[in-house]
Amino acid sequence: SAVISQKPSRDICQRGTSLTIQCQVDSQVTMMFWYRQQPGQSLTLIATANQGSEATYESGFVIDKFPISRPNLTFSTLTVSNMSPEDSSIYLCSVGQATNEKLFFGSGTQLSVL
Amino acid sequence: GENVEQHPSTLSVQEGDSAVIKCTYSDSASNYFPWYKQELGKGPQLIIDIRSNVGEKKDQRIAVTLNKTAKHFSLHITETQPEDSAVYFCAAKIPGGSQGNLIFGKGTKLSVKP
Repeated sequence: SAVISQKPSRDICQRGTSLTIQCQVDSQVTMMFWYRQQPGQSLTLIATANQGSEATYESGFVIDKFPISRPNLTFSTLTVSNMSPEDSSIYLCSVGQATNEKLFFGSGTQLSVL
Repeated sequence: GENVEQHPSTLSVQEGDSAVIKCTYSDSASNYFPWYKQELGKGPQLIIDIRSNVGEKKDQRIAVTLNKTAKHFSLHITETQPEDSAVYFCAAKIPGGSQGNLIFGKGTKLSVKP
């Protein structure tokens, strides 16, 4: 499976600021997604990162709050904007190929908002 | 929409014993069921998966069974070892949705005591 690198691995931020999380894959992948895992909770899909076009957001998530870029088949960014303590979570990048259903996850970004 | 319930939320076993985690799903059209292992500070790792046209799948000490009629699937770990200690998540793929549209259970924290 692909090696998925996320940066930063963790950060502590002040409310009202924004943080951009990077996801780099060591090989081209068809699909890239962003998930959120709130403390002690399960995983929730935020959006599908589409190469060269706007991301597709799930219900409850909006572009103004979570802008996403995907300039090529190996890289994507997720920005958490105007942060509040409720945004404290682990944010996970995941990737897959269109040829099968398997989904692989990066190591995550642990975000704490004060 | 699809709902996945996972039991138990915590499970403690003695090294060498077997561990079983069970999940139920609500949408009978769901057709793909992966299991993930998440160690502290890491992203979820895909450990085994099963498609709806298969009843059972084994990989060394890990097996997954699927009962489509009852809409439940289970993870079986035999000869447990301390390194099996982690949080395990089951998931079901929403039929017709994108690859990232996995609905996850709430997780089972497995502790294997030496």
